[in-house]
Order: sequence, then structure tokens, then C-alpha cells
Amino acid sequence: QKEVEQNSGPLSVPEGAIASLNCTYSDRGSQSFFWYRQYSGKSPELIMFIYSNGDKEDGRFTAQLNKASQYVSLLIRDSQPSDSATYLCAVNTGGFKTIFGAGTRLFVKA
Amino acid sequence: ETGVTQSPTHLIKTRGQQVTLRCSSQSGHNTVSWYQQALGQGPQFIFQYYREEENGRGNFPPRFSGLQFPNYSSELNVNALELDDSALYLCASSLGTSGETQYFGPGTRLLVL
Repeated sequence: QKEVEQNSGPLSVPEGAIASLNCTYSDRGSQSFFWYRQYSGKSPELIMFIYSNGDKEDGRFTAQLNKASQYVSLLIRDSQPSDSATYLCAVNTGGFKTIFGAGTRLFVKA
Repeated sequence: ETGVTQSPTHLIKTRGQQVTLRCSSQSGHNTVSWYQQALGQGPQFIFQYYREEENGRGNFPPRFSGLQFPNYSSELNVNALELDDSALYLCASSLGTSGETQYFGPGTRLLVL
């Protein structure tokens, strides 16, 4: 079992729709959760971080965390073609090591 | 822009050679982590430096080594390069070693022939 799992995609949504990206993790002691966006050939860019159960909203982005189910998700409202990228889920157990999933490719159709 | 810089941007080496990659952390950040990202994969943790000491290490052989300087900048050294070392090498800086948010530099793309 991988430590952080994501569906590789591609996830294809029409412009203006809600994109839902999911991530599961194996370590119940995980404390910090991050979503990064990575355009092709570029480095990861932080979108959101979340530490507590529930929802956290920032503009068009909402991160959702459910520690009991070991599940974290990212919702992108009003998706735009510029949102087309790979989205990386990252998990930290409170120490030095942050573990990344392999990423989900999102394609927003104009 | 995160304020994290890396050099060089691209590098081509041959098998068996040695390489040094450099990273300057974001102003005020005292911790630097290095990652290797192969094509189509997520970043894999190599090691982390805090106050000029290695603070933790991932599953990478000893030929991957590093340094951190008093100004918090850092180097990643790889000896005896192998073809599988071809990847994007990412440096991330943070304020602390306990899961704080990390900000990535633009990366160094290494090709080993």
C-alpha cells in the first residue's frame, strides 16, 4: 500500500464545473496536509494547507480533511482552462519527512 | 515566486560523474529539504537540513549528500551518477522541521547519459 495515494487521472471537467480531487494516506499519525499544483515542466506551487478536520476555503479552492477516514480532498469551483495541471497531495506526520502522492492530472475543457 | 532559487536550471552529465546542485532558501526560512522527482512521479524526499545539520533522510544511498551554510543556503551533491539519477531535483524551504509549509524553488533538471 502506497503511503499517499491519488488517482492518476486524467480527470477531465468542462470549464465552469467543479473539479474534485481525492487523496488517501496510510499513516494515522499524519498532521499536516498540503495540495500543490504543478504545471508541466515547472516546480510544485502551494495551493492550500489544512491541519484540522473539516473544510478550509480559499477563493475557488476548498480543502476537505477527514482524519477518521484518512482522506483529504481538493475542490476547485468554476474550473478554468488555466487550472489544467497536475495536483499533488502531500502529507506530513509532524517530523522532517513530507510524503507526496504521484499526482492527479486535471484537464479543464474550454 | 516563492523566493527560493536553484542553480543551475539544467545540467547534462555522464555516468560516473559527480554533480553539485545549489539552493537559496526563502528569506527567514531556516530549513531546506531536497526532493527528486522522476517523470510522472511525485517528489521523493531525499533529506532535510536544519541549522547546518542533516535533520532526516529518505531512502537514498550515501552517494547523495548535502550541506547547509550559515545563511541557510544548501547544496546537494551526487557522486557516481547513474542513469536513473536523471530527474528534476527540487529544493524546498520552510520555517521549521515539524511539517510546516514548504515552498519550492524552480528545480534543476539533471540528465545523466
